Amino acid sequence: NAGVTQTPKFRILKIGQSMTLQCTQDMNHNYMYWYRQDPGMGLKLIYYSVGAGITDKGEVPNGYNVSRSTTEDFPLRLELAAPSQTSVYFCASSLGPLNTEAFFGQGTRLTVV
Amino acid sequence: AQTVTQSQPEMSVQEAETVTLSCTYDTSESDYYLFWYKQPPSRQMILVIRQEAYKQQNATENRFSVNFQKAAKSFSLKISDSQLGDAAMYFCAYRSGNTGNQFYFGTGTSLTVIP
Repeated sequence: NAGVTQTPKFRILKIGQSMTLQCTQDMNHNYMYWYRQDPGMGLKLIYYSVGAGITDKGEVPNGYNVSRSTTEDFPLRLELAAPSQTSVYFCASSLGPLNTEAFFGQGTRLTVV
Repeated sequence: AQTVTQSQPEMSVQEAETVTLSCTYDTSESDYYLFWYKQPPSRQMILVIRQEAYKQQNATENRFSVNFQKAAKSFSLKISDSQLGDAAMYFCAYRSGNTGNQFYFGTGTSLTVIP
């Protein structure tokens, strides 16, 4: 059972470069999320999607973009990387709203230098 | 936005002993869901336990149980018979019962288990 798969696991970017963090899930979940985790700050929501073709901003969307063309995939795009985007990024999914839990990928550690 | 507070950045427990991790939350909703996640050094986020706000009975999962105090907006996690594998960061999370679109996380508690 693959669950939620994120790639890459690690990446170093130079300031100003761009990249896409890939996320795919094979559980047919409608809801997908991107979080970033900074030390002592918990997880902050960047973007989320409640279904294919529907995305919405979370708490910290600046500097990021997302798309949801299929149920399975939810890539996160970083344009013009900045040191403030150094973080661990998690993709997650859940079947629907309410009491269903979120399933997480293994995270991507991104360093911007 | 909802606020989830974990006031204990670090906790430690002797192996085989019991430890309680605290979590409080701020909401005006009556219908919501609460979760505890474990994050070991591997970084993988693992669901430990969940609680529906409409249920008065506290959730239990083997050695893990919660003390859910709805009026006090408190949701603590008790780990009994602590094991070395319990060492991890623990996050409390809230999900609205109205919109349910987002999970709100606390800042985490780092648990050390002492052999």
